[in-house]
Amino acid sequence: NAGVMQNPRHLVRRRGQEARLRCSPMKGHSHVYWYRQLPEEGLKFMVYLQKENIIDESGMPKERFSAEFPKEGPSILRIQQVVRGDSAAYFCASSPELAGVRYEQYFGPGTRLTVT
Amino acid sequence: DQQVKQNSPSLSVQEGRISILNCDYTNSMFDYFLWYKKYPAEGPTFLISISSIKDKNEDGRFTVFLNKSAKHLSLHIVPSQPGDSAVYFCAASATGAGSYQLTFGKGTKLSVIP
Repeated sequence: NAGVMQNPRHLVRRRGQEARLRCSPMKGHSHVYWYRQLPEEGLKFMVYLQKENIIDESGMPKERFSAEFPKEGPSILRIQQVVRGDSAAYFCASSPELAGVRYEQYFGPGTRLTVT
Repeated sequence: DQQVKQNSPSLSVQEGRISILNCDYTNSMFDYFLWYKKYPAEGPTFLISISSIKDKNEDGRFTVFLNKSAKHLSLHIVPSQPGDSAVYFCAASATGAGSYQLTFGKGTKLSVIP
C-alpha cells in the first residue's frame, strides 16, 4: 500500500512565479490536509479538503494561496506570485474516513519550496 | 502564541538508556495528543497517541504519559537505539469543529549515541 505521495520533492521558483505542489493521498483515504513548516518551526495547519470540497481553509494566507482536491487526480496547493517568505517545507497528510473516531494523519515526504 | 511547547530543542542519550521527551500545552480544549518522528528530508511518521481519558499509553519501547492537571505529556523510549535518532514532534487536537487540526510543537532533536 503506497504511502502519501508528494511531488515535486524540491521546487525552486523566482519571486513572482507560481508554485504548484501535488499530493496523492494513501489508497482508501478521502481526507487531505496541508501543513507548512517554516525553518526552525513546527508544522502549521493550512487547509483540510475532501474530494471536490474545501472543508477548512482557516490556516491559509488570505491572498495568493489556494488549494483543491478534484474528483480525479491529486490535491493541488497553488501559490501565486511567490515571495521569499513562502520558502518552506509543505507537507500533505491524509486520513481515512472514520466518522466519530480519532485517527492519525499519515504524512507525505514534503515539498521543499525555495524562492530565489 | 505557541499552544504546544517543546522546550528542549535537542537531547543526547546513550544507547540502551531511557530517552524522555517533554511537551507542554496551554489550550485546555486539547484532548488528543500524538507524537511524530521525523527523519531529515522525510515526512513525520506517527508513533503513538493518547486520549485525555487516559494517563498512559504503551506501544513496545514507546510510552506516552499525560498529566492533564499540569498540561504536560512526555514520551519515554526504552531502551534507546541509534535508529531512534530523529526529530520528535508533539501534536495536539481538540474535540469538536476543527478536531482534525493538529497543532505541533517545534520539535526536539534526539541523538542516541552508540
